Amino acid sequence: EAGVAQSPRYKIIEKRQSVAFWCNPISGHATLYWYQQILGQGPKLLIQFQNNGVVDDSQLPKDRFSAERLKGVDSTLKIQPAKLEDSAVYLCASSSEGTKYNEQFFGPGTRLTVL
Amino acid sequence: AQSVTQLDSHVSVSEGTPVLLRCNYSSSYSPSLFWYVQHPNKGLQLLLKYTSAATLVKGINGFEAEFKKSETSFHLTKPSAHMSDAAEYFCVVSSISSGSARQLTFGSGTQLTVLP
Repeated sequence: EAGVAQSPRYKIIEKRQSVAFWCNPISGHATLYWYQQILGQGPKLLIQFQNNGVVDDSQLPKDRFSAERLKGVDSTLKIQPAKLEDSAVYLCASSSEGTKYNEQFFGPGTRLTVL
Repeated sequence: AQSVTQLDSHVSVSEGTPVLLRCNYSSSYSPSLFWYVQHPNKGLQLLLKYTSAATLVKGINGFEAEFKKSETSFHLTKPSAHMSDAAEYFCVVSSISSGSARQLTFGSGTQLTVLP
């Protein structure tokens, strides 16, 4: 079974530029998550999708961050314009509804450096 | 609100000696608790999970954790460290967000170093 795919793996941009990350979850997983992991910290949830609907985006900085999952499968996360403090690893995870304590499976992440 | 506190940001052990990574949690109801491991440049991997069954939980690679409600703790242990155990470890608490979908709250992580 293929895991969660993310691209690109690394991205370096200058502040005020735009950037987009892509995630393809495990086939059949209805729930998709985007996390931000700043160096030295644990991952923090940015947004959670259930199929193509948003369940929780309370911690997403909506003035500069946006995310979509139009067909309920893959997803993109965009930052426009980027700030220095956005430098982090962006993790995508997915889970199924098959079990009560559904495990989240994580992708390798995209490391973003904002100069 | 739920939270986890990892009491040590760095732990260093010699190969072959026991590992103890400490975690305390705060939850308004009976929690689900997890330990994840993150190796450099790799995705997070689930080590083990506690979901209100047995309080002593066994995971992969010889790790185990014990849920102690009276102490609100979920410490991770391994009898004998291996060089390949060097990684970042995260204690995580789970809560229900909508329907059956769950959200994870991560601790700040413990970096485990294994010395030869």
